[in-house]
Amino acid sequence: KNEVEQSPQNLTAQEGEFITINCSYSVGISALHWLQQHPGGGIVSLFMLSSGKKKHGRLIATINIQEKHSSLHITASHPRDSAVYICAVRMDSNYQLIWGAGTKLIIKP
Amino acid sequence: KAGVTQTPRYLIKTRGQQVTLSCSPISGHRSVSWYQQTPGQGLQFLFEYFSETQRNKGNFPGRFSGRQFSNSRSEMNVSTLELGDSALYLCASSLLMGEQYFGPGTRLTVT
Repeated sequence: KNEVEQSPQNLTAQEGEFITINCSYSVGISALHWLQQHPGGGIVSLFMLSSGKKKHGRLIATINIQEKHSSLHITASHPRDSAVYICAVRMDSNYQLIWGAGTKLIIKP
Repeated sequence: KAGVTQTPRYLIKTRGQQVTLSCSPISGHRSVSWYQQTPGQGLQFLFEYFSETQRNKGNFPGRFSGRQFSNSRSEMNVSTLELGDSALYLCASSLLMGEQYFGPGTRLTVT
């Protein structure tokens, strides 16, 4: 079993829909990261959080430490949001980053 | 502030050769991590350096090695290249192992 699990693996939605991507982990962590990778593009850090909730524009990230779960939400989705979204956790034991497999999101106009 | 730079951007090598990739972190960042990305495997962690010391290492064979210099620049070396080493190699820097800032990557093709 992977230490970081993302769901769904693939998600296709219509423009304007509310999107939720989930990340569950099984290790103790000091922080959780959400990153975005566009096709053929580089990887961009979206959020780093250790508790509660963060918001940036149409993106919202939440984390529940007790349940070892985080969600990334996109409101009013747009085709330019089409990308792979990756969750990664920083282990609190050895500070290693463990990466999820990513969620491929396609937003259709 | 300049971003993370990686050189070269593209590289073609032959099986059995060795290759060295370079990464210059954002000024002030002392942590550098290396990743391999292939279409089938996603992002695979190679190693992480902080202040010239390797802090963590992924599950890659000993052919993969790295180092970090006193100016925080890092190099990654792969010896005895195999076809399966063809991938995008990404470097990320961070301040004290915080938020990761990725470089554009080096696309390595082994023929």
